[in-house]
Amino acid sequence: SQQGEEDPQALSIQEGENATMNCSYKTSINNLQWYRQNSGRGLVHLILIRSNEREKHSGRLRVTLDTSKKSSSLLITASRAADTASYFCATGLGGSEKLVFGKGTKLTVNP
Amino acid sequence: DTAVSQTPKYLVTQMGNDKSIKCEQNLGHDTMYWYKQDSKKFLKIMFSYNNKELIINETVPNRFSPKSPDKAHLNLHINSLELGDSAVYFCASSQDWGLAGGADTQYFGPGTRLTVL
Repeated sequence: SQQGEEDPQALSIQEGENATMNCSYKTSINNLQWYRQNSGRGLVHLILIRSNEREKHSGRLRVTLDTSKKSSSLLITASRAADTASYFCATGLGGSEKLVFGKGTKLTVNP
Repeated sequence: DTAVSQTPKYLVTQMGNDKSIKCEQNLGHDTMYWYKQDSKKFLKIMFSYNNKELIINETVPNRFSPKSPDKAHLNLHINSLELGDSAVYFCASSQDWGLAGGADTQYFGPGTRLTVL
């Protein structure tokens, strides 16, 4: 069954603006991962945050995790047209090697 | 160098046919996966192999049969194709499975778009 739910489903912003995407999940997790998918391509891993971490940075990406609220957010700062893609959160469930993906947020960055 | 490759990239076939999709990874990973992405972009795991052994087998029709001849390859054979099988199929790999910290980072292939007419 589906675990993660991204919000919003679609987001359109101007280049230079920040983009925030949220992910909520239902059961306990060991880690949460964010992936990007450009149109017609495979998924690319962006960042992994473990259940005992609250925040993680990678370049222009900032991920937060709130296990009490079962939610995570992905912030892309100073967005670029090349950031246009779908972004998925995926949860690594406790005691499992399986990743469960959400439906994704489609981000459009207008030049 | 392509890390995870799939062939073919596109596959168009008639209902009732049998087809195979091949996947190879050159990352030296122990675990490989097959996912199905439907028209609404929902990505669902189908199978996972670790060191050629099946470890995940989701509720998938018996018409789908994965085969892992070695750690670097995981092929997907589909019998008696149906219209509902139309989707994009992704192969992925990860270094390991069942880490103490949960699921490992996965590396995806470019996908195979299957269209059943």
